[in-house]
Amino acid sequence: GQQVMQIPQYQHVQEGEDFTTYCNSSTTLSNIQWYKQRPGGHPVFLIQLVKSGEVKKQKRLTFQFGEAKKNSSLHITATQTTDVGTYFCAGPGGATNKLIFGTGTLLAVQP
Amino acid sequence: DSGVTQTPKHLITATGQRVTLRCSPRSGDLSVYWYQQSLDQGLQFLIQYYNGEERAKGNILERFSAQQFPDLHSELNLSSLELGDSALYFCASSVDPGQGYNEQFFGPGTRLTVL
Repeated sequence: GQQVMQIPQYQHVQEGEDFTTYCNSSTTLSNIQWYKQRPGGHPVFLIQLVKSGEVKKQKRLTFQFGEAKKNSSLHITATQTTDVGTYFCAGPGGATNKLIFGTGTLLAVQP
Repeated sequence: DSGVTQTPKHLITATGQRVTLRCSPRSGDLSVYWYQQSLDQGLQFLIQYYNGEERAKGNILERFSAQQFPDLHSELNLSSLELGDSALYFCASSVDPGQGYNEQFFGPGTRLTVL
């Protein structure tokens, strides 16, 4: 079945360093969504990308959707301790277009 | 606060037992989704309801069932519980039924521990 993988699984950075997580789908996606889950919290929607090659920015966060619509990335510039959490990508898949979540990347930021 | 409420927050029970998790979606949202999150499995989609009807099924076990009531709240029933059912169960809601295309709002989750 369709799989959505993310790398790395875990990243530890010093505050102020940049961070990037990569998302790869085994099939072409009509759109990609990104969610953030703080430790002990629930997933919170960050953004949705729809167009091939689309790039969107939210303050220090930059989201990109690949040209082939099979991969995506999230880049955080100058991380802060508030960025700590697990970042999930998710895309529709299967006959009912259920949302398939990636494996997630846990970001730890050391002050 | 996403506007999605889930009860209870924590649930501790024994193997073989049956539990019911409850979810109230955001005001105006007709779609409700249930997810299971465990350490080794990530976020797994279980089932979706839209306006009272089952819309899509994921990796939901036969021991699990769900329903959505006329007031749009939903319940997830887990029976014959096993140790491996211990996990965080999230409910999410969205306005439209097209789950792959719409932002989902997640509730705070119910942490189930089966002893």
